Parts: sequence; structure tokens; C-alpha cells
Amino acid sequence: KNEVEQSPQNLTAQEGEFITINCSYSVGISALHWLQQHPGGGIVSLFMLSSGKKKHGRLIATINIQEKHSSLHITASHPRDSAVYICAVRSGYSGGGADGLTFGKGTHLIIQP
Amino acid sequence: AAGVIQSPRHLIKEKRETATLKCYPIPRHDTVYWYQQGPGQDPQFLISFYEKMQSDKGSIPDRFSAQQFSDYHSELNMSSLELGDSALYFCATALDRYNEQFFGPGTRLTVL
Repeated sequence: KNEVEQSPQNLTAQEGEFITINCSYSVGISALHWLQQHPGGGIVSLFMLSSGKKKHGRLIATINIQEKHSSLHITASHPRDSAVYICAVRSGYSGGGADGLTFGKGTHLIIQP
Repeated sequence: AAGVIQSPRHLIKEKRETATLKCYPIPRHDTVYWYQQGPGQDPQFLISFYEKMQSDKGSIPDRFSAQQFSDYHSELNMSSLELGDSALYFCATALDRYNEQFFGPGTRLTVL
């Protein structure tokens, strides 16, 4: 069983719709990242969260540590938001501190004009 | 703003050859992570360095080794390449081991 589960796996929506992508994890974490990957392969970091909520432009990310759950919301979605959105967690328990991320399978988002 | 630099961007090798991938961090970033993303797969963590010392180890094969140099750039050395090593290799760097990771554009390795 993957330690990081995302839903939905695929999402197609119309321009302007409010988008929610969910992430659940089964291990204790020190931080959760939301990443965006475009077809060319490049990965962009959107948020790093350890508690609460963060907002950047039309993107909002929330995390509930007790429930081991995070959500990424996109308001007023636009075709340029079409990408793969990946949830990744850092355990923080290796002792060395620079712990690698464990990734979810990603959510393929398509926003149609 | 300066970003993470990876070189080369594309690399084609034959089976059993060796390859060296390089990662140049954002200025002042002292932490480097290496990830491997196979075709259609999610990225897998390989290895990380903090202040030039190995910090965490993931699913890195014994045929691979890596190090971080005095100028904080890092190199991933891959020997006895196999077809299954064909992947996109990302490095990510961070201001320190507890901060947000910023990803490079990746090196696409193809093993023929």
C-alpha cells in the first residue's frame, strides 16, 4: 500500500470551476509538499505545509495533521492550470534531517476552455 | 531569480557504460536531494546531502554513488548502466534540511 494516496487520479473540469485535490498519508510526517509537474517534466514546488493553511494567488493548500489529510484547491481554474499535481511527504525521522520525499501517484488535471 | 541547474539535460548511453549527472544548487542552498522518475512512474528518492555529508538514503542502487562538493554542487555517478536506469533524474535543493525543496529541470537519461 502506497504511503501517500491522492484522489482523484484524473480530473477534467471546465474553465472557471473550483478544483479540489485530496491527499492522505499513513505515516508521521514533518512536512507535506504540493508539487506541479507539466508534460515537459519539470517540477515546480507550490507549497510546503506542516500545519494550517497557505494561499498563493488562486491556489490554497490545507493540512489536518490529526487526520493525516491535505487538500489543494484551485479557484477560478484556467486551462494553463492543466498539469499533474503531486502530493509528497517528508518523514523527518531519518536522523540526518535531509529526508527525501515520498510521492503520491499524482492527479492529472485537465481544464477545458 | 537563480534556479537549480542540472547538466546535461539529455544523455544517451549504452548498456554497461557509466554516466555522471551534475546538480548546481540555488545560491546559499546547502542541501541536495536526488530523485529518479521512471516512465509513467512517480519520483523515487535516491539520496540526499546536507553540508557536504550524506544525510539520507533511499532506493539508490549499489551501482550508483553520489557526493556533494565544497561549492555545494553534487554529482550522481552511475556505473554498469542497465536499460531500467532510463529515467528522468531530478535534483532538488533547499536552504537547509528543513526547508522547501526546489527542483531542477531534470536530466533525461536514455540507456540503449
